[in-house]
Amino acid sequence: DSGVTQTPKHLITATGQRVTLRCSPRSGDLSVYWYQQSLDQGLQFLIQYYNGEERAKGNILERFSAQQFPDLHSELNLSSLELGDSALYFCASSAGVFRIGTEKQFFGPGTRLTVL
Amino acid sequence: DAKTTQPPSMDCAEGRAANLPCNHSTISGNEYVYWYRQIHSQGPQYIIHGLKNNETNEMASLIITEDRKSSTLILPHATLRDTAVYYCIVRGEIQGAQKLVFGQGTRLTINP
Repeated sequence: DSGVTQTPKHLITATGQRVTLRCSPRSGDLSVYWYQQSLDQGLQFLIQYYNGEERAKGNILERFSAQQFPDLHSELNLSSLELGDSALYFCASSAGVFRIGTEKQFFGPGTRLTVL
Repeated sequence: DAKTTQPPSMDCAEGRAANLPCNHSTISGNEYVYWYRQIHSQGPQYIIHGLKNNETNEMASLIITEDRKSSTLILPHATLRDTAVYYCIVRGEIQGAQKLVFGQGTRLTINP
């Protein structure tokens, strides 16, 4: 158990719909990361938040957005869903103290999104 | 971040040492080597990381060559539960942006 929780575990929805994925980081971790894993693209970084502020963006579509709340939990919002958005979505957290070489990321169990 | 090259798959007998190689010939002086693994469709799990010295923890050992252009992750006594995809990742310290860039990894199968 990494200490990172994600809900829901599974989500089935239809094209065009909007969903929200939720992540609670490990106690004390300030950084939250979102990754997408699809069969053809592998694990890809989407976005990072640190203490409520966006810090880095990866291959995140404009239809996707995220935020980190004052209690440090994070939500990933996916809208106008397409079939190709079906994937595993992982959240990870780290301490966020930016000391060289010490940042380990701890991953949650993921949310499996199926778009029909 | 430096690119890494790993064999797509490897097999190892249960109880034997599993040695997973990784080439990172373009690594720069301040970049670290990290290893993560992903068992089936679970979230990736941190294993170990190092800069230039060999490292050992309760999970594995990491051997980095003197020129730092390659490394080997060693699972000393592999068990069936070590069957997973192993990712070698090289990255430096970038203020505020510490994303992990995953390649295709090595699919390690431990055989009974």
